[in-house]
Amino acid sequence: DQQVKQNSPSLSVQEGRISILNCDYTNSMFDYFLWYKKYPAEGPTFLISISSIKDKNEDGRFTVFLNKSAKHLSLHIVPSQPGDSAVYFCAASESGSNYKLTFGKGTLLTVNP
Amino acid sequence: EAQVTQNPRYLITVTGKKLTVTCSQNMNHEYMSWYRQDPGLGLRQIYYSMNVEVTDKGDVPEGYKVSRKEKRNFPLILESPSPNQTSLYFCASSFSMGAGEQYFGPGTRLTVT
Repeated sequence: DQQVKQNSPSLSVQEGRISILNCDYTNSMFDYFLWYKKYPAEGPTFLISISSIKDKNEDGRFTVFLNKSAKHLSLHIVPSQPGDSAVYFCAASESGSNYKLTFGKGTLLTVNP
Repeated sequence: EAQVTQNPRYLITVTGKKLTVTCSQNMNHEYMSWYRQDPGLGLRQIYYSMNVEVTDKGDVPEGYKVSRKEKRNFPLILESPSPNQTSLYFCASSFSMGAGEQYFGPGTRLTVT
């Protein structure tokens, strides 16, 4: 049973426009959420996170929104740049889970110049 | 430079030939973990370690062993590799903060024939 779902395998946007990547989860015990970015031939790198006590966290061009009632989070990238082209993984964790992160399958974002 | 290193980066081996993938981090992190990434399945946790001599199974531990004799090193051991262990492997580490940001190594591409 997949607890973290990224239903869009890929997304293509134009440079300068907004990219919105979505993630749904089923485990109501998750209380910490993260987004990772992965370029080919490299390991994932941490991008941004949000605790369940918040509904929004912003870091430069990246904003994560959390809707707990819908068990949904999204990553907004504004404006999108060609260098943002990568696979984005959503991950979730619950307190007391011994540091376990549960990852989604990832969404390939392509930003076209 | 703070980093997680893995060796080898690429390995082709045959069924049944024992192998070890090394992982080392220089950030004095307590927590370390191994993941495998497969097409359509995202990142799945194999084993994790909360500190020296403390290890536990993740979601897909079958066919793997780990050890944590030193804080900086967390090798992944395949005693008798099989073709279904052909995958991309990532080591990760973080401070003991419950959930939070994990730093990933560059990955090891393993092919078992």
